[in-house]
Amino acid sequence: AQSVTQLGSHVSVSEGALVLLRCNYSSSVPPYLFWYVQYPNQGLQLLLKYTTGATLVKGINGFEAEFKKSETSFHLTKPSAHMSDAAEYFCAVSGNRGSTLGRLYFGRGTQLTVWP
Amino acid sequence: ETGVTQTPRHLVMGMTNKKSLKCEQHLGHNAMYWYKQSAKKPLELMFVYSLEERVENNSVPSRFSPECPNSSHLFLHLHTLQPEDSALYLCASSPSPGTGGQAFFGQGTRLTVV
Repeated sequence: AQSVTQLGSHVSVSEGALVLLRCNYSSSVPPYLFWYVQYPNQGLQLLLKYTTGATLVKGINGFEAEFKKSETSFHLTKPSAHMSDAAEYFCAVSGNRGSTLGRLYFGRGTQLTVWP
Repeated sequence: ETGVTQTPRHLVMGMTNKKSLKCEQHLGHNAMYWYKQSAKKPLELMFVYSLEERVENNSVPSRFSPECPNSSHLFLHLHTLQPEDSALYLCASSPSPGTGGQAFFGQGTRLTVV
């Protein structure tokens, strides 16, 4: 079975500060991992994903995430926050085989606030 | 613009009404999904369609009835809903259930049941 835990439902940072959003997962099979962003009254937009290969994944808008199998983590970071980064961020996991393929399990989301 | 279009964007309906949500994608994807997003709850997968066949129904009440007439269109028919069904309903599509799970989401329909 797959599941996702996002630590911290709300994160606040100052503009220019480091952004760190935490995600831990559990999966009975090698996982595919995703970060999505949702702006108010919008759908979810893919930020980045890990399937195989390099464990440090770069996404859009300067975000990146590192897959750490030993820690079952996939934390999202950005070196310098911008006001436009304020949104809700969702971590998701799917399996890579059998009935787990294509079935996304989402965390509860982390609301990021950026202060000027 | 993700290539997945949902209409209407907003819908207010009474508990005795019947309405339908529409989702359309022209990305050539084979799988389509309905998700429910309620305040302070994780995203809930409601239905999965693969090649126009329903492959997953996560114990969704029968007052929600999906329809997938072809691989580009997905509907969610609503009848005799309850106020607790008020939520953002998101449609998504992916190349197939077996291609890494990446889903493309529509902007959602904000449903309010009064």
